[in-house]
Amino acid sequence: AQSVTQLDSQVPVFEEAPVELRCNYSSSVSVYLFWYVQYPNQGLQLLLKYLSGSTLVKGINGFEAEFNKSQTSFHLRKPSVHISDTAEYFCAVLFSGGYNKLIFGAGTRLAVHP
Amino acid sequence: SAVISQKPSRDICQRGTSLTIQCQVDSQVTMMFWYRQQPGQSLTLIATANQGSEATYESGFVIDKFPISRPNLTFSTLTVSNMSPEDSSIYLCSVNGQGGTGELFFGEGSRLTVL
Repeated sequence: AQSVTQLDSQVPVFEEAPVELRCNYSSSVSVYLFWYVQYPNQGLQLLLKYLSGSTLVKGINGFEAEFNKSQTSFHLRKPSVHISDTAEYFCAVLFSGGYNKLIFGAGTRLAVHP
Repeated sequence: SAVISQKPSRDICQRGTSLTIQCQVDSQVTMMFWYRQQPGQSLTLIATANQGSEATYESGFVIDKFPISRPNLTFSTLTVSNMSPEDSSIYLCSVNGQGGTGELFFGEGSRLTVL
């Protein structure tokens, strides 16, 4: 079965520290991968996406993610976080043949503390 | 990118009533998607709405509870019928980006609270 797993429901971190938010998927077909961010009381905004090509993808606000096909992972990283990065982060996967239906992970709440 | 406007942005409703959420897009799109985000939860796809045909519902969602209209390529509505407190959620409208890459653009969402 096709699924998306975000391993951490909450990640507390101090300002200017590095952070990694983990995402794994289960699939026997090719995938497109996405990270979205949801700030409090707002809709979802695309951070970055992997469609093909280089496995290291850079997005907005200094975030990047690396696609690892052998480990079926797409972890999100930022070398130095800010208070303003406090938000909910969702990993999403489009499975080949999935008729444009994105499957979302459960989300990870990133809490950046001063 | 697409600009998506949803109305209402939030509402408080009484049990047993129905509410219609509107979604307006600033460009013509083939498919529109309706998602539900229950408190503290991730997004769950309710249905896919194509212009000129009936919406396609995901498992666990039925047309009688969540009727959808798609009268043209820039507009859709989702009705939450006979509401109960369990329907308290954020309902999000979304559309595809160009090129069929699966990227979705989202509206700000409609936050419903059912008393």
